[in-house]
Amino acid sequence: AQSVTQLGSHVSVSEGALVLLRCNYSSSVPPYLFWYVQYPNQGLQLLLKYTSAATLVKGINGFEAEFKKSETSFHLTKPSAHMSDAAEYFCAEGFQKLVFGTGTRLLVSP
Amino acid sequence: DVKVTQSSRYLVKRTGEKVFLECVQDMDHENMFWYRQDPGLGLRLIYFSYDVKMKEKGDIPEGYSVSREKKERFSLILESASTNQTSMYLCASSGRLAGDEQYFGPGTRLTVT
Repeated sequence: AQSVTQLGSHVSVSEGALVLLRCNYSSSVPPYLFWYVQYPNQGLQLLLKYTSAATLVKGINGFEAEFKKSETSFHLTKPSAHMSDAAEYFCAEGFQKLVFGTGTRLLVSP
Repeated sequence: DVKVTQSSRYLVKRTGEKVFLECVQDMDHENMFWYRQDPGLGLRLIYFSYDVKMKEKGDIPEGYSVSREKKERFSLILESASTNQTSMYLCASSGRLAGDEQYFGPGTRLTVT
């Protein structure tokens, strides 16, 4: 069965620091990969998705993710954290039905 | 802009009650989904519908049923609510192509007492 692993249920960074949220997928055939963000009391919204067109995917709000087949990883990065980035982030894989990771809560301190 | 709406943001029900959660999407999407979100467990798929009157069980269908009589509406039914069904319920919709983005509603926080 497919699975998505997100290392670290909580990640804390200072404002202006690099953000790195880790995601590893399990499929042997590279699936579609997604990062979603959830702000408090809201549903999920798409940050970016990988569709095999390019290994480095740029998303909204300055986030990007790199697909590495050899590592079965799709880590999310942002060069400089902003207070407004504080939220929960979910990695997911699939084709129509998605399998989600357990989420990483990003905390940003001033 | 795609919009997915859910009938209630907060709901409190008693054990044993029949509960209906409604979801409506306005983008003519073929696929609709119901997820349950719990801390530390992420999102888990309850049911998936790929067309009117068509449904498929997800990972945790026990205690739930669904109805899709119209393309834009997908209902989740708790036949006899139990305290372990206290959770956040999220509805989503997407097109039929592989890799299509799922669009999410704001969620319904259900408390069963």
